[in-house]
Amino acid sequence: NAGVTQTPKFQVLKTGQSMTLQCAQDMNHNSMYWYRQDPGMGLRLIYYSASEGTTDKGEVPNGYNVSRLNKREFSLRLESAAPSQTSVYFCASSLERGKGGYTFGSGTRLTVV
Amino acid sequence: GESVGLHLPTLSVQEGDNSIINCAYSNSASDYFIWYKQESGKGPQFIIDIRSNMDKRQGQRVTVLLNKTVKHLSLQIAATQPGDSAVYFCAENSKAAGNKLTFGGGTRVLVKP
Repeated sequence: NAGVTQTPKFQVLKTGQSMTLQCAQDMNHNSMYWYRQDPGMGLRLIYYSASEGTTDKGEVPNGYNVSRLNKREFSLRLESAAPSQTSVYFCASSLERGKGGYTFGSGTRLTVV
Repeated sequence: GESVGLHLPTLSVQEGDNSIINCAYSNSASDYFIWYKQESGKGPQFIIDIRSNMDKRQGQRVTVLLNKTVKHLSLQIAATQPGDSAVYFCAENSKAAGNKLTFGGGTRVLVKP
């Protein structure tokens, strides 16, 4: 039982490049989330998917897009990376939104130069 | 806007002593609260949760206290161990706000041998 798996663990991008962060969970959770974590700012929600087939914006969605590929997988795409997107990105899942604790992946450390 | 915050950014504790981590929240409609532990280089890990209809909940070596009158949440760790060194986050959920989970900025706990 792997929980929440994120890839890659580290990535360096040049400004303007694009990339997709992958996330998969094997807990049969309905809801999935993407957060970014910056020093002194805690975790901020980028996008979430309350259930398969739905996605919604969180606090800081600008510059990102998401795809809920199926119940297991939820990807985050940066179309044109900017230095302000340098951060640690966490994917999380929960059985339902607002019920029970969230299970987090181990994170992706992204640097945009 | 509504927010979750922490009183102390860093807490140094002697091994074997009890730790108390505090959290203030401002959304009186929050109905569910969670404490997370994040070790260096890892994603947040669920510790314990409490619903707004409770004042206290105990786990293994941890106790969460909720005081709705003053909108205060605390996490008590008994007999603190070196493995407890981490950053601790509180999070609040508001069903009225669409089950939005808001994280506080985190408190670093350093356990001294």
